Amino acid sequence: DAKTTQPPSMDCAEGRAANLPCNHSTISGNEYVYWYRQIHSQGPQYIIHGLKNNETNEMASLIITEDRKSSTLILPHATLRDTAVYYCIVSPPKHSGSARQLTFGSGTQLTVLP
Amino acid sequence: EPEVTQTPSHQVTQMGQEVILRCVPISNHLYFYWYRQILGQKVEFLVSFYNNEISEKSEIFDDQFSVERPDGSNFTLKIRSTKLEDSAMYFCASSRLAGVKDTQYFGPGTRLTVL
Repeated sequence: DAKTTQPPSMDCAEGRAANLPCNHSTISGNEYVYWYRQIHSQGPQYIIHGLKNNETNEMASLIITEDRKSSTLILPHATLRDTAVYYCIVSPPKHSGSARQLTFGSGTQLTVLP
Repeated sequence: EPEVTQTPSHQVTQMGQEVILRCVPISNHLYFYWYRQILGQKVEFLVSFYNNEISEKSEIFDDQFSVERPDGSNFTLKIRSTKLEDSAMYFCASSRLAGVKDTQYFGPGTRLTVL
């Protein structure tokens, strides 16, 4: 799986957009970008994933550069409850019937400030 | 919203004792996983399970570990003879599908403390 690089920490003001970057310069053509978050030692929570098109769901937006070497997770209106460690994970899809492990890095500690 | 549940939330045991950590995955999910997180460290994959057999396992998952789906709802992780270094949060996860659609949903974790 391709390696990812994320800043160790970021702050964001409550109500503002939080933009979390991730570099994955060695990503290959069939690898997806996944984002999970972990709030204070709780179980990781899925946020969003994408291949090359930008994606949006009720939690966040994912912007992937055209060369796919980096991506940005956007939380449009951060709240105090969004304070968490955010993980960017690159992983290839596997054929049906094969359960795929997630490889977590150190992630970005996002602190939303009041 | 359906969720993965784990019991107990905290388990304290003596070194050398056997422990069983229990998980109830989301009911229509077919793929099951165990991860662990030692305090202050990364979340690490242990094992994945599908169709009543192990799909993948990491180097951490040695002969002291085993997994089982004893019935249609539970998924268990057994550590045969616990060591001090097994102290960690253990997370169970499940997914409905494999491949790109296999969003993994994690439980709240069991904190294992080995004395």
